Amino acid sequence: EIVLTQSPVTLSLSPGERATLSCRASQSIAGYLAWYQQKPGQAPRLLIYDASSRATGIPARFSGSGSGTDFTLTISSLEPEDFAVYFCQQRSKWPLTFGGGTKVEIK
Amino acid sequence: QVHLVQSGAELKKPGASVTVSCKASGYTLSNFGISWVRQAPGQGLEWMGWVSGYNGNAHYVEKFQDKVTMTTDTSTGISYMELRNLRSDDTAVYYCARDFEAGTLDFWGQGTLITVSS
Repeated sequence: EIVLTQSPVTLSLSPGERATLSCRASQSIAGYLAWYQQKPGQAPRLLIYDASSRATGIPARFSGSGSGTDFTLTISSLEPEDFAVYFCQQRSKWPLTFGGGTKVEIK
Repeated sequence: QVHLVQSGAELKKPGASVTVSCKASGYTLSNFGISWVRQAPGQGLEWMGWVSGYNGNAHYVEKFQDKVTMTTDTSTGISYMELRNLRSDDTAVYYCARDFEAGTLDFWGQGTLITVSS
């Protein structure tokens, strides 16, 4: 199965700062990567699919890039509601797999 | 708008079975598949498998092959996941999610906590 490694595990930032999250795949997955946000006690929410397409209703401050094995989720200016855990997920090959997550916390 | 509403939390003893339901609204169930994902306490997300909303064909992750059955009922718009022979390490929140693009999960149920304890 394809292993996704996210870094860093924790990112400590202040509101208004830029957040850059990384996801690396164990083999090429072309552009078949999604990003999800999860807040405590809530289900994950789709942010980005196919590496760079924003899901419906997702603010423009969220952007995704990358292809092959290296991908990035960027939050251009953190809002208070953006402090959460972020997961990447690949759909290039079954089984679908998720990264271990990056927690974005308030500094 | 699309909603997936799951059944409530359950407490089960080891060896028991449990069925979680996932009612879809706001779209036609037969047009999309449903994936099931679980999350153990404080852990990450684990995909368990997928069931077609069109014909009920299912694909399971190998580790769950003998443990899970996923079905859909297009007449009621409900998808089901049965878990058998429960163990303590099956304690987790179980989510259903609409699969809109062969593996992109765009809408999620609220989650169902299954606790396995003697």
